Amino acid sequence: GAGVSQSPSNKVTEKGKDVELRCDPISGHTALYWYRQSLGQGLEFLIYFQGNSAPDKSGLPSDRFSAERTGGSVSTLTIQRTQQEDSAVYLCASSLTMGPISGANVLTFGAGSRLTVL
Amino acid sequence: RKEVEQDPGPFNVPEGATVAFNCTYSNSASQSFFWYRQDCRKEPKLLMSVYSSGNEDGRFTAQLNRASQYISLLIRDSKLSDSATYLCVVNLSGGYQKVTFGTGTKLQVIP
Repeated sequence: GAGVSQSPSNKVTEKGKDVELRCDPISGHTALYWYRQSLGQGLEFLIYFQGNSAPDKSGLPSDRFSAERTGGSVSTLTIQRTQQEDSAVYLCASSLTMGPISGANVLTFGAGSRLTVL
Repeated sequence: RKEVEQDPGPFNVPEGATVAFNCTYSNSASQSFFWYRQDCRKEPKLLMSVYSSGNEDGRFTAQLNRASQYISLLIRDSKLSDSATYLCVVNLSGGYQKVTFGTGTKLQVIP
């Protein structure tokens, strides 16, 4: 697609429920990132994909969080047994490739999925 | 020490003023650098890349100082529309493309 697409744009759920957030990156972008941003805070790195593999999962806050990517394209971030502290905007970004070449590793973000856990 | 550090601000400046932000990074092996802009309740968007020799894009000038491990962003003739949070971004080397964002510097341009 023309840009990074995320869904849902807004999700309100009850504590303890599971949620799935979807990211559809720019076509041809091999690198995909998930970040989380709480109100008034900076971006918190969650996980990075290169193709379908995740070389860095170090940012996932707990084992309730998982993510997968299939076909080198769409990624799903799953949060099990949601807690109120999970409330945040979840941002997905993609980039053309890995490596130090400046132009190739510019990240383009989706509009985010705003999660509210009641 | 944080990998990427920025003064959170806010920087409140009058229209037409010149303002500069710095961002320090801890890993000397960092390969590439960027400034992103984030408007309230919006996603970050690329403002400009930062090249070793420094680069300019209209009213915006970015510089890199590898010796002191910081990058800077200078905005001349500030406009009301420049009000936003400016995020420093550093790509670290090390086998894959680790991208680290600073927490951002908030700029408010006042009429």
